[in-house]
Amino acid sequence: NAGVMQNPRHLVRRRGQEARLRCSPMKGHSHVYWYRQLPEEGLKFMVYLQKENIIDESGMPKERFSAEFPKEGPSILRIQQVVRGDSAAYFCASSPGLNTGELFFGEGSRLTVL
Amino acid sequence: RKEVEQDPGPFNVPEGATVAFNCTYSNSASQSFFWYRQDCRKEPKLLMSVYSSGNEDGRFTAQLNRASQYISLLIRDSKLSDSATYLCVVNNYGQNFVFGPGTRLSVLP
Repeated sequence: NAGVMQNPRHLVRRRGQEARLRCSPMKGHSHVYWYRQLPEEGLKFMVYLQKENIIDESGMPKERFSAEFPKEGPSILRIQQVVRGDSAAYFCASSPGLNTGELFFGEGSRLTVL
Repeated sequence: RKEVEQDPGPFNVPEGATVAFNCTYSNSASQSFFWYRQDCRKEPKLLMSVYSSGNEDGRFTAQLNRASQYISLLIRDSKLSDSATYLCVVNNYGQNFVFGPGTRLSVLP
């Protein structure tokens, strides 16, 4: 029973390139959350998605960032024209549904922008 | 005011000590409360849910005070392996999970 799978685990990009981070939730989970963690800081909520719907994107920067969770396939967090300040760990978590308690986290994707 | 606040620490305690962490939240409509643990450069993992009546799991006890919007975690007989960052998490029905900044604990031999 695989847990939340994130890839790539580590990604290096140069300024101006695009970064795509993928998250496959646990089997049977239909809700996905993305969080960003800067070095030595706490987890900051970015976006909450259900299949084919964005439920809450109040934590997403207004530009360059987008997320999707298609009917088939993993959830994708896309960062266009990356800047050094985007360097962080990006964690994905999943849950079975609304108000069901525990979030299960993936191991994170660590983005480094040179 | 931040939605979830915690003392960042660090708390440096000797093995065997009892240590308590506090957390306050600003949204009175919050419905679910949790403590997560995060080891250095790893993903957060659920330590325990927090129920209105308080709950205990081995050496760990969690308390919730809705009137004061306050959550606590007590760790008894600290072990070296308890060293980590402890995250207070609040959830409102149908909305996202809000994480506090975390409290760092170092248990010293």
